Amino acid sequence: ERVMTQSPATLSVSPGERVTLSCRASQSVSSNLAWYQQKPGQAPRLLIYGASTRATGIPARFSGSGSGTEFTLTISSLQSEDFAVYYCQQYNNWPWTFGQGTKVEIK
Amino acid sequence: EVQMVESGGGLVKPGGSLRLSCAASGFTFSDYSMNWVRQAPGKGLEWVSSISSRSSYMYYTDSVKGRFTISRDNAKNSLYLQMNSLRAEDSAVYYCASGHCSAGGCDNGFFDYWGQGTLVTVSS
Repeated sequence: ERVMTQSPATLSVSPGERVTLSCRASQSVSSNLAWYQQKPGQAPRLLIYGASTRATGIPARFSGSGSGTEFTLTISSLQSEDFAVYYCQQYNNWPWTFGQGTKVEIK
Repeated sequence: EVQMVESGGGLVKPGGSLRLSCAASGFTFSDYSMNWVRQAPGKGLEWVSSISSRSSYMYYTDSVKGRFTISRDNAKNSLYLQMNSLRAEDSAVYYCASGHCSAGGCDNGFFDYWGQGTLVTVSS
């Protein structure tokens, strides 16, 4: 099983700041990596797939990069609606696995 | 507008059974692989099971193999999860989630559309 490790667990950020979230895979997952955003009481929302392709309707301030075992989600200028928990997920190997999440909170 | 509505959750005793349903609309359900993903209270996301668009293949996470069965009815735009021999550790919100289709074709592996979830609580 591919273990996905996200860092940091919590990030305290001010609106307008640039945010970088990390996700590391225990073995290569190629570019088969997705990112999701989840707000309290809501279902997750797909942000990025294929490591760097934005899903439909996702603002350009969200970008993804990486391949193999190291991945990054960047939010170029954090907006108030971006405070949430972010999960990475690999779909290169069964079982598909998620990271434990990074909570982005208001500083 | 895409909608997926789960139902069938509730309180069940250990060893009991539940059948979850997910009614989909607003997209061509029969084109999409479908999945169940769960989230224990206050915890992260866990993929549970997948079924291909024509039910050709089904996959399960190890902890539910032999106890859970995924199925679908494309004529009814519906996805199901039969859960037997339930354990306390199965307690979670269960989301149905679709694969992805675009002009370039359909993929499974990441989850495009999500329902709002249905809560399953396994407790005596």
